[in-house]
Amino acid sequence: TQLLEQSPQFLSIQEGENLTVYCNSSSVFSSLQWYRQEPGEGPVLLVTVVTGGEVKKLKRLTFQFGDARKDSSLHITAAQPGDTGLYLCAGYSGAGSYQLTFGKGTKLSVIP
Amino acid sequence: DVKVTQSSRYLVKRTGEKVFLECVQDMDHENMFWYRQDPGLGLRLIYFSYDVKMKEKGDIPEGYSVSREKKERFSLILESASTNQTSMYLCASSPPGQGYGYTFGSGTRLTVV
Repeated sequence: TQLLEQSPQFLSIQEGENLTVYCNSSSVFSSLQWYRQEPGEGPVLLVTVVTGGEVKKLKRLTFQFGDARKDSSLHITAAQPGDTGLYLCAGYSGAGSYQLTFGKGTKLSVIP
Repeated sequence: DVKVTQSSRYLVKRTGEKVFLECVQDMDHENMFWYRQDPGLGLRLIYFSYDVKMKEKGDIPEGYSVSREKKERFSLILESASTNQTSMYLCASSPPGQGYGYTFGSGTRLTVV
């Protein structure tokens, strides 16, 4: 079973600060996704990265896929209370796979 | 707006009861999944289905079964509920291929007493 390790597990920051969360594996993933889950709701897809070294931006969120396709990071600039939630990374292990492996998540709290 | 709908947000059942969790999607997706989510353990795959009447075991299928008689509906069945099945249950669907990701329902918080 391929594992995705996310760090940190918990993060509490003040509004306006920047932060980075990480998603690491010893295995190669053909593509990787990031989801955000708000309390009492299901996860919602934010982005998919496919190519090693790829960088995608979604407003204040920047996602990067490692060159070797074993790791990814999510950077948030000027965090806002609306960014609060559980951030999950998930990867497809092979080109023909439709089953995602999920990390355990980073729980982010942004304090006004 | 496309949707995955889970029949109940909160459910309380007694130990030994047979429990049905229903999930319906309106996106004509081939793939459907059932996960449970517990603090510290993350999302764990119970069962998935890639076609009508097809099912595959996930990582933790013991104590559960599933049914997919129609493409849009995927049911999770707890044959005899136990307290260790108290959890948040999440249903998801996806089209074939890796570019689209999963669409999740809002979840069912099941408590077994």
